[in-house]
Amino acid sequence: ETGVTQSPTHLIKTRGQQVTLRCSSQSGHNTVSWYQQALGQGPQFIFQYYREEENGRGNFPPRFSGLQFPNYSSELNVNALELDDSALYLCASSLVQGGNGYTFGSGTRLTVV
Amino acid sequence: AQSVTQPDIHITVSEGASLELRCNYSYGATPYLFWYVQSPGQGLQLLLKYFSGDTLVQGIKGFEAEFKRSQSSFNLRKPSVHWSDAAEYFCAVGAGANNLFFGTGTRLTVIP
Repeated sequence: ETGVTQSPTHLIKTRGQQVTLRCSSQSGHNTVSWYQQALGQGPQFIFQYYREEENGRGNFPPRFSGLQFPNYSSELNVNALELDDSALYLCASSLVQGGNGYTFGSGTRLTVV
Repeated sequence: AQSVTQPDIHITVSEGASLELRCNYSYGATPYLFWYVQSPGQGLQLLLKYFSGDTLVQGIKGFEAEFKRSQSSFNLRKPSVHWSDAAEYFCAVGAGANNLFFGTGTRLTVIP
């Protein structure tokens, strides 16, 4: 059974640029969630996708967007990057919308300069 | 509104000593509760979860947690800490089925 894999592991971008982060869900999981973890903080929910549709969103602006593909892999896109977007971005997959808990990837460390 | 409070930012214990990490939550219904552990530069690993039933939950690596509805608490315990337990620990409450609200974490240091 494969876990959740995220790419890239590290990324440096310039303010104003756009970035795409990728996630491959654990085998058999049909739901994917994205979280932002700023330094020294707990993860904060960005949004969740279920059956390729957004199924819940946290307090993040529209420049944070996502996609889920038929194979349940997912992308997080962030436009017009700001310095405060620097964080660890975590992807979590689950079965049946989290009813049995979430499996997290190791994250993508994004630095905006 | 949902919230999770982990009152201890940093705890230091000696190897072999017992451990209790505190977690208090606020949620309008019966919550789903989780404890995750995060090593430096890594993602989150699930230690244990509570959905319903027995309020004392056993997890991996010798951890357990007890759900106390009257105190809105879900404290994590381990009878004897190992040096490899040094990490950041996060308590989380599940808001229905959609997402998790996390506390700010407790950093555990283990001294020999």
